[in-house]
This record gives sequence, C-alpha cells and structure tokens, in this order.
Amino acid sequence: GAVVSQHPSRVICKSGTSVKIECRSLDFQATTMFWYRQFPKQSLMLMATSNEGSKATYEQGVEKDKFLINHASLTLSTLTVTSAHPEDSSFYICSASSDYGYTFGSGTRLTVV
Amino acid sequence: QKEVEQDPGPLSVPEGAIVSLNCTYSNSAFQYFMWYRQYSRKGPELLMYTYSSGNKEDGRFTAQVDKSSKYISLFIRDSQPSDSATYLCAMSGTQGGSEKLVFGKGTKLTVNP
Repeated sequence: GAVVSQHPSRVICKSGTSVKIECRSLDFQATTMFWYRQFPKQSLMLMATSNEGSKATYEQGVEKDKFLINHASLTLSTLTVTSAHPEDSSFYICSASSDYGYTFGSGTRLTVV
Repeated sequence: QKEVEQDPGPLSVPEGAIVSLNCTYSNSAFQYFMWYRQYSRKGPELLMYTYSSGNKEDGRFTAQVDKSSKYISLFIRDSQPSDSATYLCAMSGTQGGSEKLVFGKGTKLTVNP
C-alpha cells in the first residue's frame, strides 16, 4: 500500500523562529498533497492543498505568508511555519491521494515556547 | 449546518460489545466515504473506504452508507481494548472542479476489558 513519511514527529522551537515539516510519498507519486492542523479534541482542519509544480491553495483564514508550502517534486511536500508563535502549537498532518485513497503521514507535534 | 456532523462522545463500552459510530452530512457532492482510526498523537489510519450506498464488511468492521438519508455508520463487532481510539468519518467529492475532503470531529471510543 501507499506510505507517507512525515518528519519530524515532534519539534519544540522558540517563538519567532521557523520550522520546516517534510512529507514524502515513499512508494508512489503524489501530485496532490494536503496539509491539516489538529488542535486537541478537534477534527482535522484542512490548511492547504499543494500541487506539484504550482502554488498551494490555502483555505480561508490560513495565512499563506506564515505557512509556506512547497511541492517541488512528486514525492516531497514541505510546510514551513515562519515566525512561529505559541498559538501555532498544534499537531500538523500531511496527506496524499493515491489509488489506495488518502494516506496520512504520522503527524508532527509542534510546540512553540 | 456543518457539512459533516459526528458525535464526539466519549463512548465507553465493555469488551465484546457491538459499537455503532455514525455521521451525517449535508453536501450531496460527497461520493466517497471513509472511516479512520486515530490513536493518540498519531496520524489517522484508514479503516474502511466505500463509494456507493450499502454495506461493506472487513473482519469485525462493517461500514454502512445511506446516501438517501445522508447517513453513514461504522459497526465494530466483538470490540477489543485495542479498538480504543478516536474514530473519524471522512467524505470526499469534487465540487467546483476541485477535490474536497471533509472530516467529522471524531468519536473517542474506550473499550474496557
């Protein structure tokens, strides 16, 4: 089946710094990847949809200058949280669409102190 | 009205019980219906994937879709403590030319030994 590898699984950073999260599709090509954020006891909320070689499409209310998404190849998409603040602390998950349906990464727990 | 409604629970049952999880939706564009299981601090894991109305069975799990009522269910037979997790329903379809995937809030299930 399809596998999506997401790194890092956990990161703690200081307020004002930037953090990059990577998602790789290991055994398939992902032309489209999705980035979600999940707060405690909340559902997954779609942040943006990234398509290989083009600009990401952001959901309403998501700051595109703060959450930079790059989908430079068919197997790699990155989410960079710029100038992170404590309110950005959350669980970030990527997902890719394949013949097996939607496959999720294992998630990244971001804590901004 | 939210696109997808799911009772967050929590739901607590004894080992061996039959568990029924449900979601309702309002968007007729949804064509694919999924159930995910999410353990704490992990990414969601696909359990069931259905396209049409009717039942789909996989081991102890049965997914049911009623498009006319816009209602989907997941049944777990002979529930085990290892089934304790949060179960999210998800639905996808094409709307306005773009792919859309929406999650329910998730139902937290605890199976007590």
